[in-house]
Amino acid sequence: SAVISQKPSRDICQRGTSLTIQCQVDSQVTMMFWYRQQPGQSLTLIATANQGSEATYESGFVIDKFPISRPNLTFSTLTVSNMSPEDSSIYLCSVATGGGTQYFGPGTRLLVL
Amino acid sequence: KQEVTQIPAALSVPEGENLVLNCSFTDSAIYNLQWFRQDPGKGLTSLLLIQSSQREQTSGRLNASLDKSSGRSTLYIAASQPGDSATYLCAVSSSNAGNNRKLIWGLGTSLAVNP
Repeated sequence: SAVISQKPSRDICQRGTSLTIQCQVDSQVTMMFWYRQQPGQSLTLIATANQGSEATYESGFVIDKFPISRPNLTFSTLTVSNMSPEDSSIYLCSVATGGGTQYFGPGTRLLVL
Repeated sequence: KQEVTQIPAALSVPEGENLVLNCSFTDSAIYNLQWFRQDPGKGLTSLLLIQSSQREQTSGRLNASLDKSSGRSTLYIAASQPGDSATYLCAVSSSNAGNNRKLIWGLGTSLAVNP
């Protein structure tokens, strides 16, 4: 298993600003994922972050809007840039273990005014 | 393109009932299927993982089955308790994708177990 923490747990931001979300894992993992869950919706994958390479973004998500860092095997950050109210969402990071199970952090609840 | 559907969208039952949540997917070429629960204001908790070669997995009062050929999975909860109240999400990973850890999600079933 893996224990994941995220910071901040929630934030209220003004439009046009940026927020960086941190994800820390208690063990070394190769694959980390960043998801978004908008109100009333299921999870949508933003990008896959592998250590030592650039993140792979899903359709509809771009690096300029959601830059990701993955400096080591236990840590990653996701930045939500130039925020608008449409970015209000829960942002979750997850990791996949060798057995295939994915573990999730508690999420970061973002409200953009 | 893989699509995942969960039925029902919401379910309310009295405590003690046995219940079944359904998940269907359109592409049978999956790597695995996972069931999660999501509690309000909290993250997701992995409940059961079924590999594509398996037919079912059990954990306590939970049993998940997989029929890959028909594109269906069920989550059976025995003797439901108020603490089971949560949203249950089904997610599949495709064996055709280069990244077989990428999950495609259903919208979830919101379960309320009433004392």
